[in-house]
Amino acid sequence: KNQVEQSPQSLIILEGKNCTLQCNYTVSPFSNLRWYKQDTGRGPVSLTIMTFSENTKSNGRYTATLDADTKQSSLHITASQLSDSASYICVVSPMDNYGQNFVFGPGTRLSVLP
Amino acid sequence: DVKVTQSSRYLVKRTGEKVFLECVQDMDHENMFWYRQDPGLGLRLIYFSYDVKMKEKGDIPEGYSVSREKKERFSLILESASTNQTSMYLCASSLVEGGYTFGSGTRLTVV
Repeated sequence: KNQVEQSPQSLIILEGKNCTLQCNYTVSPFSNLRWYKQDTGRGPVSLTIMTFSENTKSNGRYTATLDADTKQSSLHITASQLSDSASYICVVSPMDNYGQNFVFGPGTRLSVLP
Repeated sequence: DVKVTQSSRYLVKRTGEKVFLECVQDMDHENMFWYRQDPGLGLRLIYFSYDVKMKEKGDIPEGYSVSREKKERFSLILESASTNQTSMYLCASSLVEGGYTFGSGTRLTVV
């Protein structure tokens, strides 16, 4: 069964610190992997997208990495800000997916404290 | 940018009421989706549609129905709302090959 797991479930860090969120998946073969940021009470917003052939993708202070061999991805946040407080969701798209069957992780809840 | 608009941010309905959640996207996307999101369970797919008047059941379709009469609009219907349908409902749209764009969500409370 296609699954996506994320760790930690929740994380608290101080403003200005870096952090790394993990995503492990069993979806295979897969087409692409996305990280979304979801603010409380809002819909998810896409941060990065990587195909199976890419190793890293950056979006400002967010850097995602992908190891297709070990089926792991990470999202690294540099110099965290209070506005980074949100849930971060890893989403994997299976190959031969006609945009209809994405597999969502449960999310990591990040709290950035002043 | 693609915009996905959900008609209500917050709704409070009584048990047994018929509830309509509306979603409109403005970029001619083929696919549209309805998810519900509950703490600890993540996003779960209720229904999706890949074309006008076409619909497919997702993982948890029981108690819900959908309607897609026009390409830009995808409605989720709770025929008889129950308290276990209290949740955050998220609409999304996508091109066939692309990722999702989500709406802002509707927080539904059934009392």
